[in-house]
Amino acid sequence: GQQLNQSPQSMFIQEGEDVSMNCTSSSIFNTWLWYKQDPGEGPVLLIALYKAGELTSNGRLTAQFGITRKDSFLNISASIPSDVGIYFCAGLLGAQKLVFGQGTRLTINP
Amino acid sequence: DADVTQTPRNRITKTGKRIMLECSQTKGHDRMYWYRQDPGLGLRLIYYSFDVKDINKGEISDGYSVSRQAQAKFSLSLESAIPNQTALYFCATSDYNVETQYFGPGTRLLVL
Repeated sequence: GQQLNQSPQSMFIQEGEDVSMNCTSSSIFNTWLWYKQDPGEGPVLLIALYKAGELTSNGRLTAQFGITRKDSFLNISASIPSDVGIYFCAGLLGAQKLVFGQGTRLTINP
Repeated sequence: DADVTQTPRNRITKTGKRIMLECSQTKGHDRMYWYRQDPGLGLRLIYYSFDVKDINKGEISDGYSVSRQAQAKFSLSLESAIPNQTALYFCATSDYNVETQYFGPGTRLLVL
């Protein structure tokens, strides 16, 4: 089936540092999404990207839809403790369902 | 009150037992989904339903069945549980914008 490959799988950073993670696919997606899962909760949508090359921000988060439509990037600036969690990329498949990446687990040292 | 609820939140069962996980939503959404989460594998779709009379297999439906009893309720059954079904299970809902899904808090299942 479809697979999205996220990297890195985990990150350990100091509070205040910037974070970058990415997601790649062997297939083209027309919509890319980034979700965040807080510890003990279900994922929540952070950012949706609908157009190749699109750059979208949500507060300290910035995500980009790759020009090839086979990748996406998420950046977090000036990390704070509440940024801890698992970040998932997802692609919309056939307008019916989402395919998720393996997740990037972010840990922040105060 | 939470918009998407799951019961139970935690469950321990034995190999071969039949169990049911329940999901209810108050968002008025037509579309509902069941996923399982495993470390290093992310979220994988088990089944999804676009309305009460619609059931579709996802990526990993073998060993599972579902029932959409009403617009607000979507249950997942393991007919004969096995240890590799130990995982965190999530229910989610959406309207016609499939990209925006609202997840429940999850059910942690351990099969011994």
